[in-house]
Amino acid sequence: AQSVSQHNHHVILSEAASLELGCNYSYGGTVNLFWYVQYPGQHLQLLLKYFSGDPLVKGIKGFEAEFIKSKFSFNLRKPSVQWSDTAEYFCAVLSSASKIIFGSGTRLSIRP
Amino acid sequence: EAQVTQNPRYLITVTGKKLTVTCSQNMNHEYMSWYRQDPGLGLRQIYYSMNVEVTDKGDVPEGYKVSRKEKRNFPLILESPSPNQTSLYFCASSSGQGIGKLFFGSGTQLSVL
Repeated sequence: AQSVSQHNHHVILSEAASLELGCNYSYGGTVNLFWYVQYPGQHLQLLLKYFSGDPLVKGIKGFEAEFIKSKFSFNLRKPSVQWSDTAEYFCAVLSSASKIIFGSGTRLSIRP
Repeated sequence: EAQVTQNPRYLITVTGKKLTVTCSQNMNHEYMSWYRQDPGLGLRQIYYSMNVEVTDKGDVPEGYKVSRKEKRNFPLILESPSPNQTSLYFCASSSGQGIGKLFFGSGTQLSVL
């Protein structure tokens, strides 16, 4: 079955630390990949997406993600986090015309 | 302003009492979907709709119904709610070309006692 795995359930960092959140998917076909962010008390918003082309994707607020096909991974990175990045982050894969699968989410807490 | 509107934001009900959560989008999107969010499980798709009168089951459809009579509206119906349906529900929409780039509503926190 198609799935998305986010192995880090809760990550705690200090401000200015570098961030990498893992995302692995299991689907052998062409994939479209996404990272969504949910700030406390808010709905999900799209951070960035990969459809095709350059595997290094840049999103909003300084986030980027790299699609590595051989590793079935789409890890999210940010060189220097801020307190305002405290949120829950969801990786998602569009594996068919209409099937969108979300990972279980990673809660990111930033110490001021 | 482009948005997905869900109502109500909070709902407390009792087992077996039918309820409807409304969802409306003003972006003329073809695709609409319902998710439930539970701690440690992420978002799971309940139902989705590719267009008017076209709906299909997601991963966790049991106990839910939907309808898509108009393009803008996609209500979620719980005919006989049970406590295991206590959850945070999100409606989302997307244009037919950009499925996956979802616009989410603000969520409905449902408690079934």
